[in-house]
Amino acid sequence: GDSVTQMEGPVTLSEEAFLTINCTYTATGYPSLFWYVQYPGEGLQLLLKATKADDKGSNKGFEATYRKETTSFHLEKGSVQVSDSAVYFCALSDPTFSGGYNKLIFGAGTRLAVHP
Amino acid sequence: DTAVSQTPKYLVTQMGNDKSIKCEQNLGHDTMYWYKQDSKKFLKIMFSYNNKELIINETVPNRFSPKSPDKAHLNLHINSLELGDSAVYFCASSQRGGLVTEAFFGQGTRLTVV
Repeated sequence: GDSVTQMEGPVTLSEEAFLTINCTYTATGYPSLFWYVQYPGEGLQLLLKATKADDKGSNKGFEATYRKETTSFHLEKGSVQVSDSAVYFCALSDPTFSGGYNKLIFGAGTRLAVHP
Repeated sequence: DTAVSQTPKYLVTQMGNDKSIKCEQNLGHDTMYWYKQDSKKFLKIMFSYNNKELIINETVPNRFSPKSPDKAHLNLHINSLELGDSAVYFCASSQRGGLVTEAFFGQGTRLTVV
């Protein structure tokens, strides 16, 4: 079945450092890809998404490009802040194989800690 | 104005008890979900309802029974609670159809079984 693999954390960075969190996927069809973020004690919020190959999702300085050839959707940010400390989840959804419904398949999550 | 709200936020209960978690969304979505997040933060879908009809039922013990009185509400009832049921349960909603749309998540209910 479909699956998502993302790099294990925690990732510890200093403020203003460059961030990359790797995410690769396995899917039968052509899924949409997402990054969700979970701040401490809160629910999940959509950070960005891409619905087809070569699409770039971006939000709040974060970017990820849907790479079909490498089945990847790596998350990047040029300069992280302390407020970016959270757990980041890569996810996919392919409504073609789930009756049109948004069944999200998540990676294991990567904890990011940014220090001043 | 909360989009997806769950109650309670925290739930501590003894093994063998029966408990319910409630979820409501005011986004006008037609599909709602329950996800379980385990102690290692891994998230997995449990159930999904569309317009009060069960459409996704992953391999979940029969002790878990979702109920959707209307398309804005999806409750989760758990019978005979076990230690392994301790987790954070998230409710979510989205709108079916077309390209995949964003799923909105509630704040989560942290269930602790002692």
